[in-house]
Amino acid sequence: AQKITQTQPGMFVQEKEAVTLDCTYDTSDPSYGLFWYKQPSSGEMIFLIYQGSYDQQNATEGRYSLNFQKARKSANLVISASQLGDSAMYFCAMSGSSGDKLTFGTGTRLAVRP
Amino acid sequence: DSGVTQTPKHLITATGQRVTLRCSPRSGDLSVYWYQQSLDQGLQFLIHYYNGEERAKGNILERFSAQQFPDLHSELNLSSLELGDSALYFCASSVWTGTNTGELFFGEGSRLTVL
Repeated sequence: AQKITQTQPGMFVQEKEAVTLDCTYDTSDPSYGLFWYKQPSSGEMIFLIYQGSYDQQNATEGRYSLNFQKARKSANLVISASQLGDSAMYFCAMSGSSGDKLTFGTGTRLAVRP
Repeated sequence: DSGVTQTPKHLITATGQRVTLRCSPRSGDLSVYWYQQSLDQGLQFLIHYYNGEERAKGNILERFSAQQFPDLHSELNLSSLELGDSALYFCASSVWTGTNTGELFFGEGSRLTVL
């Protein structure tokens, strides 16, 4: 079974600053994938970034990077140069070796202050 | 636009009723997933279909059922509705490889309100 833990229910960040959203996971699968999704107030789920468990380098996508620390079982999302449009709910999720589903964390609500 | 289409977008019904939510996956995706998002429970996995076959089941209630048709669209049937079934129901699709879900592409969701 997989478990995702996001311990920050809500966070504030000043516009143009960087912010780190925490995510820890637990799994017995040797191979797994880690994902981050953004859910704005409009409700849609937007894929941000993916990290495979065997990937040597941390994933980056534009202003998003995933700080993957396998030994600590953490997959934190770093958003650089925050923008007002980054205000949203952010979910960490993982897929196990069978890939049958994504297991989501409870989310972190990020508010960007002007 | 993710390419995943869900209908209806909003639905209001009464307790005890039955509703059907419909999902059309992205072109080429054989996998369809259903998730329920309630205010107090985050995103809960309900069920995964691959090319018409059930692949995985989450904590889906017996009152709920789903299927994937030969044209790959999927339907989620919710019956004997209760107030607690009010939620946002997401469908997602992916190119499932058998070892990794790959990126899930989500529809805009169907918001169900049970009165």
